[in-house]
Amino acid sequence: SAVISQKPSRDICQRGTSLTIQCQVDSQVTMMFWYRQQPGQSLTLIATANQGSEATYESGFVIDKFPISRPNLTFSTLTVSNMSPEDSSIYLCSVRGTLGYEQYFGPGTRLTVT
Amino acid sequence: QKEVEQNSGPLSVPEGAIASLNCTYSDRGSQSFFWYRQYSGKSPELIMSIYSNGDKEDGRFTAQLNKASQYVSLLIRDSQPSDSATYLCAVHEFSGGYNKLIFGAGTRLAVHP
Repeated sequence: SAVISQKPSRDICQRGTSLTIQCQVDSQVTMMFWYRQQPGQSLTLIATANQGSEATYESGFVIDKFPISRPNLTFSTLTVSNMSPEDSSIYLCSVRGTLGYEQYFGPGTRLTVT
Repeated sequence: QKEVEQNSGPLSVPEGAIASLNCTYSDRGSQSFFWYRQYSGKSPELIMSIYSNGDKEDGRFTAQLNKASQYVSLLIRDSQPSDSATYLCAVHEFSGGYNKLIFGAGTRLAVHP
């Protein structure tokens, strides 16, 4: 499976600011995804990051709040904009594997908004 | 959106026993199913995938799929304390022209010595 890294691993941010999370993969992948995992909860898909086109957002998530870039087949960013304490969560990127629809996850970014 | 249901647990089993984790899903058209293990403070790790009815074994893990009953399970034989984690069931969905995984809420497994 691909090796996935995320930066930063954690951050504490003030209300109203924005944070950009980076996801780097060691090989080219067609599909990249961004998830949110709130404390004690399961994974919620935010969007699918498409190379060369706009991201596809899930219901309840909008581009103005969570802009995503996918400049190439190994890199993507997720920005959490105008943050509030409700955005405190773990943000995970994942990539689709080569065998089917399986996904592999990065280590995650733990975000705390004060 | 399609649903994936799991018992949140905790499921407590003694060391050496068989742990049985269950998952049901609502989309009859689903064809691909996955089990992830997530240790506290870590990201999910893929441990099993299954696509056909029946059993699939990998070491101490066995995934079982019954599409007619819309049911997928994970058996862990000879459970060890190191197996204590949350196990997430994921089901593939094709929606709006895109492929994605729908995750259950996870079952917390505690293996006690």
